[in-house]
Amino acid sequence: GIQVEQSPPDLILQEGANSTLRCNFSDSVNNLQWFHQNPWGQLINLFYIPSGTKQNGRLSATTVATERYSLLYISSSQTTDSGVYFCAVEANSKLTFGKGITLSVRP
Amino acid sequence: DADVTQTPRNRITKTGKRIMLECSQTKGHDRMYWYRQDPGLGLRLIYYSFDVKDINKGEISDGYSVSRQAQAKFSLSLESAIPNQTALYFCATSDLMLNTGELFFGEGSRLTVL
Repeated sequence: GIQVEQSPPDLILQEGANSTLRCNFSDSVNNLQWFHQNPWGQLINLFYIPSGTKQNGRLSATTVATERYSLLYISSSQTTDSGVYFCAVEANSKLTFGKGITLSVRP
Repeated sequence: DADVTQTPRNRITKTGKRIMLECSQTKGHDRMYWYRQDPGLGLRLIYYSFDVKDINKGEISDGYSVSRQAQAKFSLSLESAIPNQTALYFCATSDLMLNTGELFFGEGSRLTVL
């Protein structure tokens, strides 16, 4: 099946810093999504982004489908950005998740 | 109220017991999913359903069964729970008609099997 790799596995930032999270995938996909899991376990959909660039406040995402990667940018990070960030790709009507990137933003 | 509701939110049970996790949604979506989350492993698909008459196995369906009682309800059963089924379980939905595939999750059900 399709492989999804996220990097780095862990990231520690000082509040106010910027960061880039990466998602590589091994095959063509129909769509790609980014999720944030907060420290209480809730999974929130951040972006549905099969290709191109989208922005939502301090977060933006870019997917280059032809090169099989996606990037999530976090600018001016806040402590509430802490948690685990997952990317998930769809192929054959099933979504496959990466193992996640654990982000800790320190005040 | 949450659009995707899971019950129970937390459950502790003993090995060999039968457990049912229930999921209901008010989003009107056709597609429903059950995922399992283990530390360091991300989310893995257990079962999915594209409509009431459609049930499909995911990558880790052994030891689990599901029932799609209605468009809005999708339950997951562990017929005889074992300790390595201790995990956080998520139900999710997506909209087939729009074909966006955007996934919406419930709040999770934490299951501990002793």
